[in-house]
Order: sequence, then structure tokens, then C-alpha cells
Amino acid sequence: DTAVSQTPKYLVTQMGNDKSIKCEQNLGHDTMYWYKQDSKKFLKIMFSYNNKELIINETVPNRFSPKSPDKAHLNLHINSLELGDSAVYFCASSLKQGAGLETQYFGPGTRLLVL
Amino acid sequence: KNEVEQSPQNLTAQEGEFITINCSYSVGISALHWLQQHPGGGIVSLFMLSSGKKKHGRLIATINIQEKHSSLHITASHPRDSAVYICAVKGASNYQLIWGAGTKLIIKP
Repeated sequence: DTAVSQTPKYLVTQMGNDKSIKCEQNLGHDTMYWYKQDSKKFLKIMFSYNNKELIINETVPNRFSPKSPDKAHLNLHINSLELGDSAVYFCASSLKQGAGLETQYFGPGTRLLVL
Repeated sequence: KNEVEQSPQNLTAQEGEFITINCSYSVGISALHWLQQHPGGGIVSLFMLSSGKKKHGRLIATINIQEKHSSLHITASHPRDSAVYICAVKGASNYQLIWGAGTKLIIKP
């Protein structure tokens, strides 16, 4: 049983396109996160949702829009993709808001390559 | 200069060797985490430290708050320990998570 799943695993697309990455957790957690890992392996938090409500929105371009249809899903939509968006995007979930990393469950990552 | 620095960036060792990975940080923190990222990309949290030392199996993590330094040790290393090990700190005054660049460890049989 996959606790936190992401689709697609790999995404190759052209500049200017709009794409979505989906994340689902079957752990019954209230809080979900999106992280971006760049080429230097730095992992930065982008968004966090608690029970479908946005609670963290770090400095991220408006082209990135998270959507949480229910607390088990947090999708990431990216408009007008740019070369610099190429990265690995990780979804994570935790039981409650404010949980430390040690209680966050990470998805396998989505490798996005913008050409 | 990055707020979280890890060393070494890359480490290759023989099976059985004692491994040490270091993490230094320059900000006030409430907690420090060590995570493991497997070649397939999955991330697993290993330790959360705010003081002292923790041990789990062959893994030991220590932190010195005064010196703003933490180490991750692996005893009797094994090829399955090959992964990227990431140090991350949680800011003392906010939710901000600051990540190190990771240390790529390869253990050869």
C-alpha cells in the first residue's frame, strides 16, 4: 500500500505549457505539503494545506497554483512552464498542522523537465 | 554562504567502514533533522534532534547546540546505506525549513 503517491513520476514538457502534478495520501492525514528540490538538492517548501485550507504559501510565482479537492489530495498546477521550473517536486503529508519533518511522509517525487 | 552546510558533498567508502557526515548551521533553530533520500528519490526521515544524541540501529546522530553542529554516523556500513543524506533545520521563530545540499554516500561491497 502506497502511503503518499504522486503522478506522474516523470514529466517532460516544453516551455510555455501548463501541467499538473497530482498527490494523494491514504493515511488519513490532515495536512499536505509541496516541496521543490532543485538541481543542487536544496529542498524548499512551497505550499501547505490543512484540511483543504492553505496555511503556508512561501515565495512562489503565481504560475504555481495548488488545489485541494479534499484532504486526501493536493494537486499542483503550473502555468506557462519555464526552464527554471525543472526540478523534482515532492508531496508530503502529516497527521496534523505544524508537524515536524520526522512525522511527514513523503511521496516518491515527480521529476519535471522543461525543454 | 548557505545557512546549512553539509560535508562532505560526496563520500565513497568500503563496506564495513564507519561513516561520518557533518552538518553546520548559522541560524537559530528549534530542531534539526536528518533525512535519507534513496536513489529512486524517496525521502525518509531518520532523526529529529534538539539536543544530545539519538541512536537507531546502526545510525547515530548527535548535535552540539553551542557549536551549531550535528553529525550523522553509520557504523558497519553496508551497500544498502548508499543514498543521499540531508540535514534540515527548523527555524527557531517560524515554520521555515532550511535544507542542506545533501551528502551523496556510496558504500562499495
